[in-house]
Amino acid sequence: ETGVTQTPRHLVMGMTNKKSLKCEQHLGHNAMYWYKQSAKKPLELMFVYNFKEQTENNSVPSRFSPECPNSSHLFLHLHTLQPEDSALYLCASSQDPGAGRFGYTFGSGTRLTVV
Amino acid sequence: DQQVKQNSPSLSVQEGRISILNCDYTNSMFDYFLWYKKYPAEGPTFLISISSIKDKNEDGRFTVFLNKSAKHLSLHIVPSQPGDSAVYFCAASGYNNAGNMLTFGGGTRLMVKP
Repeated sequence: ETGVTQTPRHLVMGMTNKKSLKCEQHLGHNAMYWYKQSAKKPLELMFVYNFKEQTENNSVPSRFSPECPNSSHLFLHLHTLQPEDSALYLCASSQDPGAGRFGYTFGSGTRLTVV
Repeated sequence: DQQVKQNSPSLSVQEGRISILNCDYTNSMFDYFLWYKKYPAEGPTFLISISSIKDKNEDGRFTVFLNKSAKHLSLHIVPSQPGDSAVYFCAASGYNNAGNMLTFGGGTRLMVKP
């Protein structure tokens, strides 16, 4: 499989649940990202990992917890979320954080609904 | 402080005509500018990019123009097709307040009517 793969594609969870989003890239990239896209809002950068090290945490609430065990895998652990956290969560990767002419490669996203 | 802005949230164009999507930026240190296309419930896909040292880049029906003095870029799609209906994001690569990464505009929804 090639590109950036995200699972699950859809997730419905209660506010007291704990769940995880998974992202995997087969492009040999060194940097991975989590973005959030809410309805009628711009893409919001959440976390950046470069060579497995977190280099950016864009003031994200602690109920979102990222994990990057290696350069190919990225997780977003979710717990005690709020309904306003319902959104499309996108994973992306790039050769390095300086995106250059090729930018980032995005996955298809996980549509999260918090009930 | 939004360093990349797309001031038109939506644009409607007739099939076969030209679509022009606009983007403004404030940081003169950006080195590449990119356009992404996004369908509902999917991730953005890379469309075309331009280096800051160029003023035009063309790829098939898509052309990106860069006006550095005005800090403005535009994406032209000609002829427009119904399959082009999507949200288009412009993005800029380079150093910003958070470091060296990609900064996105808010997106413009393009609707191409048959």
